[in-house]
Amino acid sequence: DAKTTQPPSMDCAEGRAANLPCNHSTISGNEYVYWYRQIHSQGPQYIIHGLKNNETNEMASLIITEDRKSSTLILPHATLRDTAVYYCIVWGFSGNTPLVFGKGTRLSVIA
Amino acid sequence: EAGVAQSPRYKIIEKRQSVAFWCNPISGHATLYWYQQILGQGPKLLIQFQNNGVVDDSQLPKDRFSAERLKGVDSTLKIQPAKLEDSAVYLCASSLVRGSLGYGYTFGSGTRLTVV
Repeated sequence: DAKTTQPPSMDCAEGRAANLPCNHSTISGNEYVYWYRQIHSQGPQYIIHGLKNNETNEMASLIITEDRKSSTLILPHATLRDTAVYYCIVWGFSGNTPLVFGKGTRLSVIA
Repeated sequence: EAGVAQSPRYKIIEKRQSVAFWCNPISGHATLYWYQQILGQGPKLLIQFQNNGVVDDSQLPKDRFSAERLKGVDSTLKIQPAKLEDSAVYLCASSLVRGSLGYGYTFGSGTRLTVV
């Protein structure tokens, strides 16, 4: 079962920042927070991941709270192409564990 | 690099018929996964291969589903006989090695199966 809780849907105006929350209150010390997204009719695509520190790449930023029980994915300037389902995944590098997906958040970017 | 290839893209069959899906992973990727995604839900792992051996098939309904990965490259997933509840998108993913860091997964676009 997924170890995360996300809102089922969110809207965001085009050009504004999209902030997608995720709760993972049972996360263990060696588990990472990963974000994937799935655009309509495509497979999931990796966005970003982090352990403790905030992370940023060309796609997004990831803010993890100090107690690591929640995180926020930030798309700084959302475009219509960012409309997708976003999955927050807690994953531990155990050598065998595959990615386990929850239902995710459906983000709709509105013009 | 080329992505994960899947075929067919769409398939419509009647219940109790059989169907097969094909996946060609990224060249050199040792680990291959099949996920089932029912409408409105996240992908659910069915089976995981490491080269041509099965690592985890605990979620695979073995009475009707089977999968193989001959020669550790391409893979096929078969359903026989199909039920209405098998209607879903079947996603194939690959990663370089077993236990690759979570960003190392590459997914195909999936096969959308409709059972009528």
